[in-house]
Amino acid sequence: AQTVTQSQPEMSVQEAETVTLSCTYDTSESDYYLFWYKQPPSRQMILVIRQEAYKQQNATENRFSVNFQKAAKSFSLKISDSQLGDAAMYFCAYLNYGGSQGNLIFGKGTKLSVKP
Amino acid sequence: NAGVTQTPKFQVLKTGQSMTLQCAQDMNHEYMSWYRQDPGMGLRLIHYSVGAGITDQGEVPNGYNVSRSTTEDFPLRLLSAAPSQTSVYFCASRRGSNEKLFFGSGTQLSVL
Repeated sequence: AQTVTQSQPEMSVQEAETVTLSCTYDTSESDYYLFWYKQPPSRQMILVIRQEAYKQQNATENRFSVNFQKAAKSFSLKISDSQLGDAAMYFCAYLNYGGSQGNLIFGKGTKLSVKP
Repeated sequence: NAGVTQTPKFQVLKTGQSMTLQCAQDMNHEYMSWYRQDPGMGLRLIHYSVGAGITDQGEVPNGYNVSRSTTEDFPLRLLSAAPSQTSVYFCASRRGSNEKLFFGSGTQLSVL
């Protein structure tokens, strides 16, 4: 069974600085998707970024980028120029590719604080 | 287009009471699912459905029932609530196997 591990329960960053959140996963599949979700205090789940495993290029969305290391099964999220609004819980998630019954598997989350 | 709608947003139950959490989506998504979120545990899958009439268990199904009589609706039933079911519940849906998951706004449930 696939697993997702986020080893940092809490992280803190100074406003305008850069922070990296770690995520590792375990799977025997070769094709899959990886995601980072943001959950602010409003509780809403917001998709931040997604990566297809067959793509070697790391995904980027504005200030958010990932470092995808397929062989190491690592999928870290880098937030550049951190803003107060980035404070939230961040969840890493995994989904098998192409399976109609594939379910999203989540890590336990990292709580990010942003200091002004 | 409302997306995924969950009701109620908050609920307090007494041990042993029953209730149904409602979930509806208007995007014609085949796949729907229920997750529970507990502090330090992330989101764990309770039940899911890949289409009307088809449901299956996730990681933590005990104490919960589901049915999928229509594409739009996927209610979650607690037959006899227990304090261990105090949690935030999320309903989610998606169109295909590789599409992003659309989440409802969640239900905060407390069982006393």
